Amino acid sequence: KNQVEQSPQSLIILEGKNCTLQCNYTVSPFSNLRWYKQDTGRGPVSLTIMTFSENTKSNGRYTATLDADTKQSSLHITASQLSDSASYICVVSEGSNYQLIWGAGTKLIIKP
Amino acid sequence: DAGITQSPRHKVTETGTPVTLRCHQTENHRYMYWYRQDPGHGLRLIHYSYGVKDTDKGEVSDGYSVSRSKTEDFLLTLESATSSQTSVYFCATSGQGARAFFGQGTRLTVV
Repeated sequence: KNQVEQSPQSLIILEGKNCTLQCNYTVSPFSNLRWYKQDTGRGPVSLTIMTFSENTKSNGRYTATLDADTKQSSLHITASQLSDSASYICVVSEGSNYQLIWGAGTKLIIKP
Repeated sequence: DAGITQSPRHKVTETGTPVTLRCHQTENHRYMYWYRQDPGHGLRLIHYSYGVKDTDKGEVSDGYSVSRSKTEDFLLTLESATSSQTSVYFCATSGQGARAFFGQGTRLTVV
């Protein structure tokens, strides 16, 4: 069964600290992997999209990595800010653009 | 944010009544999707459309129907609402690329 699992379920860190969120997937065939940020009460917003051949992609203070062999991805946030408080969702595309398998998300809370 | 508008943003309805949620886009995107999001679950695909009058079922389509009579609008209908359909509903669109854009969501409560 195609699945996307994220860990931890929730995370609290102090402002200015770094953190890493994990995503493991069992989706086949693999097309691409995306990380989304979802603020409370709003729709998800895309952070990065990575294809099979991409190992790392950055978007400002966000850096995503992908290991297609082990089917793992991580999202690293550097120098966290209060505005980073949100849910971060890992999504894997199953062979076509509209077959998206969503993880349950990691709820990140940044404390001052 | 892409030009995606969902209406209504909030709705409370009684069990057994029909409900229609609307998604309107100004991006001329070919693909449109309806998802529901429940606590502890990822976004789950209800139905999607790959063109005008072209739709298909997603993972959790039972109890829902959709229609797309023009590129801009994608309607989700609950024929007879049940309490299990209480959820937050998101509409999304995507064009030629792999990136999807989401609306603000509709919070539906069935009492």
